[in-house]
Amino acid sequence: NAGVTQTPKFQVLKTGQSMTLQCAQDMNHNSMYWYRQDPGMGLRLIYYSASEGTTDKGEVPNGYNVSRLNKREFSLRLESAAPSQTSVYFCATNRGLAGTGELFFGEGSRLTVL
Amino acid sequence: QKEVEQNSGPLSVPEGAIASLNCTYSDRGSQSFFWYRQYSGKSPELIMSIYSNGDKEDGRFTAQLNKASQYVSLLIRDSQPSDSATYLCAATSNSGYALNFGKGTSLLVTP
Repeated sequence: NAGVTQTPKFQVLKTGQSMTLQCAQDMNHNSMYWYRQDPGMGLRLIYYSASEGTTDKGEVPNGYNVSRLNKREFSLRLESAAPSQTSVYFCATNRGLAGTGELFFGEGSRLTVL
Repeated sequence: QKEVEQNSGPLSVPEGAIASLNCTYSDRGSQSFFWYRQYSGKSPELIMSIYSNGDKEDGRFTAQLNKASQYVSLLIRDSQPSDSATYLCAATSNSGYALNFGKGTSLLVTP
């Protein structure tokens, strides 16, 4: 039982390159989230998906796109990476009503944009 | 922007003492509140949730909520070096579909 799995765990990009962060969960949770965490800034919500087939913007969506491929998978895409997107990215899931209850986090993906 | 505020610390307490972590929030529509612990280089994990005014105890942890003052706190009794971590306070947003996190308080428990 893996819980929430993120790939890749580490990535270095050059400015302007694109990449997709993958998140998969085996917890049968309805809601999924992408957060970024920067020193001194805390966790900031990028996008979330309350249920399969829906996605919504969070606090810092600019420069990102998401896809809720099915109930298990929620991907985050950077179309043209910028140094400001250097961060640790966390995928999280929630079992019940979105925004209530416990969030289960993946191990994080550490992205550096040069 | 609805905010959750925490002192960044570090808060240093000796082993065996009580650690007191505080948090204020600006969104009066927030209904549920959470404390997450995050070890360095790891992902956050939930340690306490509280939904109504008053105290909630779970082992060495006590969460306190005062909605009138928009204040949440976490007390850790008999602090251990293994409690050294960053503690994140979170509150549900008015939309109900996201958690707003504070920037976290770093706690250091010294032997």
